[in-house]
Amino acid sequence: DTGVSQDPRHKITKRGQNVTFRCDPISEHNRLYWYRQTLGQGPEFLTYFQNEAQLEKSRLLSDRFSAERPKGSFSTLEIQRTEQGDSAMYLCASPSDPGNTIYFGEGSWLTVV
Amino acid sequence: AQSVSQHNHHVILSEAASLELGCNYSYGGTVNLFWYVQYPGQHLQLLLKYFSGDPLVKGIKGFEAEFIKSKFSFNLRKPSVQWSDTAEYFCAVKVTSGTYKYIFGTGTRLKVLA
Repeated sequence: DTGVSQDPRHKITKRGQNVTFRCDPISEHNRLYWYRQTLGQGPEFLTYFQNEAQLEKSRLLSDRFSAERPKGSFSTLEIQRTEQGDSAMYLCASPSDPGNTIYFGEGSWLTVV
Repeated sequence: AQSVSQHNHHVILSEAASLELGCNYSYGGTVNLFWYVQYPGQHLQLLLKYFSGDPLVKGIKGFEAEFIKSKFSFNLRKPSVQWSDTAEYFCAVKVTSGTYKYIFGTGTRLKVLA
């Protein structure tokens, strides 16, 4: 257990539906990252937060994706109008400051049918 | 653009064989390098990391990696693998210019035959 928890662990949804994932990072870590991982690929960076500020977003994050970290603690990643190509594992990561070791949650598997 | 390349996508070894997994990165700044392992059904775990100093770093479970700056490489090694080392291995570089972002390679799937 890394101390980073994600919910739900698995989600099956119909195409066109909205889904939301939650991440609770290690409490004393200021930064929080979201990654996406598909079979046969390494984690791909999506976005990251420093406290409540979203500092960088990948081009992979289309307009259908939105992430928030309202109080600088937990974060949510919402995908609107899901597509089959969104099927992947969504990983949350919480690096120690000054960011030398990154701790991953167990991921949220999304299957869009 | 920054990138990490892992040339071996699948590796099959017998127990007690030696292991070397290649990792090359493309990044001109100060590098922090990592190897992560993902056992079946589990989350990514840190094997070892390099920040500065001795380019030969030792990690958990008998793994080591060598940073060769001139070759932009950070290869992972283990002298004698075990069946329990069957997993997927990811090399990563931390980008620090104006941001703190971790870029991962595509991974190498290792299968160790008992």
